Amino acid sequence: DAGITQSPRYKITETGRQVTLMCHQTWSHSYMFWYRQDLGHGLRLIYYSAAADITDKGEVPDGYVVSRSKTENFPLTLESATRSQTSVYFCASSDQGTGQETQYFGPGTRLLVL
Amino acid sequence: AQSVSQHNHHVILSEAASLELGCNYSYGGTVNLFWYVQYPGQHLQLLLKYFSGDPLVKGIKGFEAEFIKSKFSFNLRKPSVQWSDTAEYFCAVNPYGNNRLAFGKGNQVVVIP
Repeated sequence: DAGITQSPRYKITETGRQVTLMCHQTWSHSYMFWYRQDLGHGLRLIYYSAAADITDKGEVPDGYVVSRSKTENFPLTLESATRSQTSVYFCASSDQGTGQETQYFGPGTRLLVL
Repeated sequence: AQSVSQHNHHVILSEAASLELGCNYSYGGTVNLFWYVQYPGQHLQLLLKYFSGDPLVKGIKGFEAEFIKSKFSFNLRKPSVQWSDTAEYFCAVNPYGNNRLAFGKGNQVVVIP
């Protein structure tokens, strides 16, 4: 049972470069989420998706783009990376949208923008 | 916008001591409440959750949390901690019918053997 995987696990990039973080889940969950985790801020929602081709902004969407052409994949793209986007990025999924479901998290991607 | 407050970001205690982590939220409607835990090097995972019924909720590994509606609080407790409880603990809230979680800043708990 692979669950939810993220790649790469670690990434170093330079300011201005485009970076794509991948997220894949094997449960066919409808909902998927991207969070960033920063010291002193906890986890903050970047984008989420209720189903394939349906995405919406979270708390901190600026500078990020998402797509969801297939249910199992939810890539996050930093169009032009900035140092403030240095963070740990977590992908998560859940199977319904009532608000009572557990969200299942991936292992995270540590991104360093130089 | 709703917010979630966790106090005492760093907690250090000895094995067998009792642990209580506070969580307060600012949202006036019906909410669903969660505590997630992140052990060193591991994924975030659910510790327990509350959405209705008995306000005292029991979770995994001997943890429990109490929902006090009048205080907008959902405090986490464990009567006797173990070294393996060393982790970061996050309180999270979402309004009923909306599964967009708002997380607190977390509590880093270190248990000394």
